Amino acid sequence: NAGVTQTPKFRILKIGQSMTLQCTQDMNHNYMYWYRQDPGMGLKLIYYSVGAGITDKGEVPNGYNVSRSTTEDFPLRLELAAPSQTSVYFCASSPNEGLAGGPPDTQYFGPGTRLTVL
Amino acid sequence: GQQVMQIPQYQHVQEGEDFTTYCNSSTTLSNIQWYKQRPGGHPVFLIQLVKSGEVKKQKRLTFQFGEAKKNSSLHITATQTTDVGTYFCAGKRRTGANNLFFGTGTRLTVIP
Repeated sequence: NAGVTQTPKFRILKIGQSMTLQCTQDMNHNYMYWYRQDPGMGLKLIYYSVGAGITDKGEVPNGYNVSRSTTEDFPLRLELAAPSQTSVYFCASSPNEGLAGGPPDTQYFGPGTRLTVL
Repeated sequence: GQQVMQIPQYQHVQEGEDFTTYCNSSTTLSNIQWYKQRPGGHPVFLIQLVKSGEVKKQKRLTFQFGEAKKNSSLHITATQTTDVGTYFCAGKRRTGANNLFFGTGTRLTVIP
C-alpha cells in the first residue's frame, strides 16, 4: 500500500489564483481529513469526511472547499488564494470512528503540500 | 471551544538528558494520541491513551493520561539525536465527530 499520497509537494500561487490539492489513500479508510500547519504551530482541521459523499467543516474552513466522490480521493480546493493561506497542508485518513464510546483509530498522514501565496 | 495546550514550545537538551512535554485540555477528553513529526516530515502516530490514569511505555518513552482525562505527558529518558522533532498531543472530545484537536507541539532539539 502507498498509504496517503498528496500532490503537488510544493506550489507557489499568486493572490487570487485557484488550485486543487490532491489527496488519495489506498487503505479503504472511511474517514479523511485536511489540516493546515502554519510555521511553528500545530495542526488545524479544515474539513473532514466520514465517507464518500459526506463532508463537514472543521475548525478553519473559510476559503476552502472539498468534495468526496469516492472513498479514495479527497481533494481540497482553494478558490481565491490569499497570503493567509500560505501553509503546509496535510491530508490524513483513518479507518473509522471506532465503536461507540471507544477510541478513534489512528490517523495516517500524507507527506504534505507546501503552499506559498504571493 | 476545544483547546489543547502544550508546554514547553521548545526544548533544547544535551544528549543523554531527559525530556518531558505536557499537554492540557480545557475539556475532558475521550482519549489522547501522541504524534511525532520529524523536521520537514509529516506527523506519525506514536500511541493512544484511553483510560483515566493510564501509563504506557515504548522503550525510552513513557506516556501518561491524567486521572481527570484532561492532561497528558510524554517523557523521554536519556534522549538521543534520533529523538529530534516536534511532539504533538491530540485529543478527541467525548462526544461528537471524530475530530482530533492537536496541541501546539513541543519542538525538541538534542545537542550531541
